[in-house]
Amino acid sequence: ILNVEQSPQSLHVQEGDSTNFTCSFPSSNFYALHWYRWETAKSPEALFVMTLNGDEKKKGRISATLNTKEGYSYLYIKGSQPEDSATYLCAFYPTSGTYKYIFGTGTRLKVLA
Amino acid sequence: NAGVTQTPKFRVLKTGQSMTLLCAQDMNHEYMYWYRQDPGMGLRLIHYSVGEGTTAKGEVPDGYNVSRLKKQNFLLGLESAAPSQTSVYFCASRPDRVNEKLFFGSGTQLSVL
Repeated sequence: ILNVEQSPQSLHVQEGDSTNFTCSFPSSNFYALHWYRWETAKSPEALFVMTLNGDEKKKGRISATLNTKEGYSYLYIKGSQPEDSATYLCAFYPTSGTYKYIFGTGTRLKVLA
Repeated sequence: NAGVTQTPKFRVLKTGQSMTLLCAQDMNHEYMYWYRQDPGMGLRLIHYSVGEGTTAKGEVPDGYNVSRLKKQNFLLGLESAAPSQTSVYFCASRPDRVNEKLFFGSGTQLSVL
């Protein structure tokens, strides 16, 4: 059974703080790792799709790194703003050819003004 | 540019009733997915389709059926609803290239009494 774990489950930070979360996934049969941002009462929106070991992606104040050999990805938010409050999901896509994504349970971020 | 549209957005059923959830995408995507989201459990795959006329079981398929008669539509049916099927249902789609992100619908909140 393939398992994807995210930590922490939730956190509160002050406006202006930088923060990071972790997504752990199987280090074998890796094909891609996705990050999604999910605001309350909305649908998940893609942040990054990462495929190569050592990949680093950036979108504004949000960036992500990928280590496929040890099976983890970090998502960083620099200078958190209240509008960054959301649940951040990662999804692992294996090479097994089943076309299925395995989602973590997410990290719920609350940025306090 | 509608993207992925789910109908209905909300529904209340009595135990034993049946209903169909519709997912429609206008992006000519090959792959379509139905997920359910329950507190503390993340997104769990119910059924998916890799193209028109195809369907396959996901992680939690029991009690659900699906059909993909047209490429743009993916229907999720509950033949005899049970309280355990109370959940928020999300549809997602993506093109035929695995490095592409998933596009999600806005969700259907279903309560079974």
